[in-house]
Amino acid sequence: QQPVQSPQAVILREGEDAVINCSSSKALYSVHWYRQKHGEAPVFLMILLKGGEQKGHEKISASFNEKKQQSSLYLTASQLSYSGTYFCGTFRQNYQLIWGAGTKLIIKP
Amino acid sequence: DAGVIQSPRHEVTEMGQEVTLRCKPISGHDYLFWYRQTMMRGLELLIYFNNNVPIDDSGMPEDRFSAKMPNASFSTLKIQPSEPRDSAVYFCASSASDSYSYNEQFFGPGTRLTVL
Repeated sequence: QQPVQSPQAVILREGEDAVINCSSSKALYSVHWYRQKHGEAPVFLMILLKGGEQKGHEKISASFNEKKQQSSLYLTASQLSYSGTYFCGTFRQNYQLIWGAGTKLIIKP
Repeated sequence: DAGVIQSPRHEVTEMGQEVTLRCKPISGHDYLFWYRQTMMRGLELLIYFNNNVPIDDSGMPEDRFSAKMPNASFSTLKIQPSEPRDSAVYFCASSASDSYSYNEQFFGPGTRLTVL
């Protein structure tokens, strides 16, 4: 079942903060976050595992609440380069990711 | 490594024609995924392979779609015959199942398919 992302879209001014949420009706083993810029392919941002382990490439923080079956991505002091669509993904089985519908983030100067 | 390579980058064809999309995964990756992305349906998994073997093709929309992975460095997605509703961006992604990679998926640049 597809994870639910909120909000669907958010507009910020450069320097403002944003939180993107991802929730699932099924128990989560891990949550993956990707960002897709317009006209490009999705790019990995972060993986959060049960037990608190994380792996990420950029200075973006996230949380994973196993009990609530949700994850949140925190974008602080946003930069123009943060613009894009953010996707969360949860594992259905083996290595098959089930993707959320995406959250479109627009950063204005 | 050059990353995941897809060809062609753009394809325009007429309804009824056969379309073949190609993908070269990152060397050493044992998982390969084919996705389709549209505004209406978002990012959809079509099929994925593990060690060249198709594991789950439940996302393949119809019998008109077929995918093969004859070896670890090459995969194709074929649509025959193509229809206008197949117009989309098709992504190929690969990942490694070793414990250090956390199953990060690396996406190719995509093939933008337009069926007239």
